[in-house]
Amino acid sequence: EVHLVQSGAEVKKPGESLKISCKGSGYNFATYWIGWVRQMPEKGLEWMALIYPGDSDTRYSPSFQGQVTISADKSISTAYLQWSSLKASDTAIYYCARRGQPGIAFDTWGQGTMVTVSS
Amino acid sequence: DIQMTQSPSSLSASVGDRVTITCRASQGINNYLAWYQQKPGKVPQLLIYAASTLQSGVPSRFSGGGSGTDFTLTISSLQPEDVATYYCQKYNSAPFTFGPGTKVDIK
Repeated sequence: EVHLVQSGAEVKKPGESLKISCKGSGYNFATYWIGWVRQMPEKGLEWMALIYPGDSDTRYSPSFQGQVTISADKSISTAYLQWSSLKASDTAIYYCARRGQPGIAFDTWGQGTMVTVSS
Repeated sequence: DIQMTQSPSSLSASVGDRVTITCRASQGINNYLAWYQQKPGKVPQLLIYAASTLQSGVPSRFSGGGSGTDFTLTISSLQPEDVATYYCQKYNSAPFTFGPGTKVDIK
């Protein structure tokens, strides 16, 4: 069975750095795109970025380009989302999701990682 | 970039009612349109992809339609467990923008 398991909740201060993870299992991690989605408190879903773990090809939403960095290590089936300097407005739940076979959308989602940024 | 809109933003209907949500793309997206359901406090789940293909395990009361720029999600007979926010998403090319969501509850 396909699973994405994300790292646990984080509480950080403004200006701190952070890297959260998303580990895939039950499929060939290298051959499926992984996306990241933000959900701010009581708000909708926002697509952030996408990575192909096989060659680390990336795509970013213009809204998030330069604000975050995504990466992946196919040897351990794990994708990452990182910030170099967090802001209070980064407080949100962050989901990773697998893009399924060609023509299929995001068919498997991680459980979400709650990131709280507060002084 | 292509913008996605949804209507209505919220609706309240009775159990057994037929419910339709509309999603519009600002440009054609070649039917690369998905619908997701997010129940309160839960992870989003894929309902429909390619505009009209039901994801495995999704009840048949859900259906998708449309093409080009205008799409619909229909619940043929609303059930209490369908209380959720529904999002459309374009996924033909990046950015894979979501619509703003439609909140559905029971009257």
